[in-house]
Amino acid sequence: GESVGLHLPTLSVQEGDNSIINCAYSNSASDYFIWYKQESGKGPQFIIDIRSNMDKRQGQRVTVLLNKTVKHLSLQIAATQPGDSAVYFCAENTQGGSEKLVFGKGTKLTVNP
Amino acid sequence: NAGVTQTPKFQVLKTGQSMTLQCAQDMNHEYMSWYRQDPGMGLRLIHYSVGAGITDQGEVPNGYNVSRSTTEDFPLRLLSAAPSQTSVYFCASSYADSSNYGYTFGSGTRLTVV
Repeated sequence: GESVGLHLPTLSVQEGDNSIINCAYSNSASDYFIWYKQESGKGPQFIIDIRSNMDKRQGQRVTVLLNKTVKHLSLQIAATQPGDSAVYFCAENTQGGSEKLVFGKGTKLTVNP
Repeated sequence: NAGVTQTPKFQVLKTGQSMTLQCAQDMNHEYMSWYRQDPGMGLRLIHYSVGAGITDQGEVPNGYNVSRSTTEDFPLRLLSAAPSQTSVYFCASSYADSSNYGYTFGSGTRLTVV
């Protein structure tokens, strides 16, 4: 069935380092992927998205890479800051519309000062 | 611009009680969805709507009903609460255009069923 998973449940980095969070997806028909950040007690917050016709997209301090061959997605955060500490989820859209997302279980990122 | 507003933020129910979780968005988004989040889990889709008058089931719909009488509101009803429905519930709204989809989540309702 459809599933989105993460390689590591937790990630600890030093402030200023770059962070890489990975995600594997199983549905080759998925055409749209999103990374969300969720801080404690809050709802998921959109970070960056990418369509399946792209392999890289950059935002402010964040880059998403998509490797369709191995069905792998990654989120790179440059110069990680304490405010980046949160749980990060990848999500895939498998239906062609924007109303349904399948979420991974999340990776908890801790940034040490 | 409030975005997606969920009420209440916290709720405790007794087993068998019913209640409605409210969700409203002011962005004129076509799509609205309800998710639940359990400890150590990602969000799982309960129900979704692609427009007023149209709803459909997600991954975990049992025990929940929804309706979409207006574009702005998408309430989630628990018919007879069970301890297994203890969770954090998130409502989301989204649009789709030719270049991207936009998702906005509410801040969540933390529900405990005793």
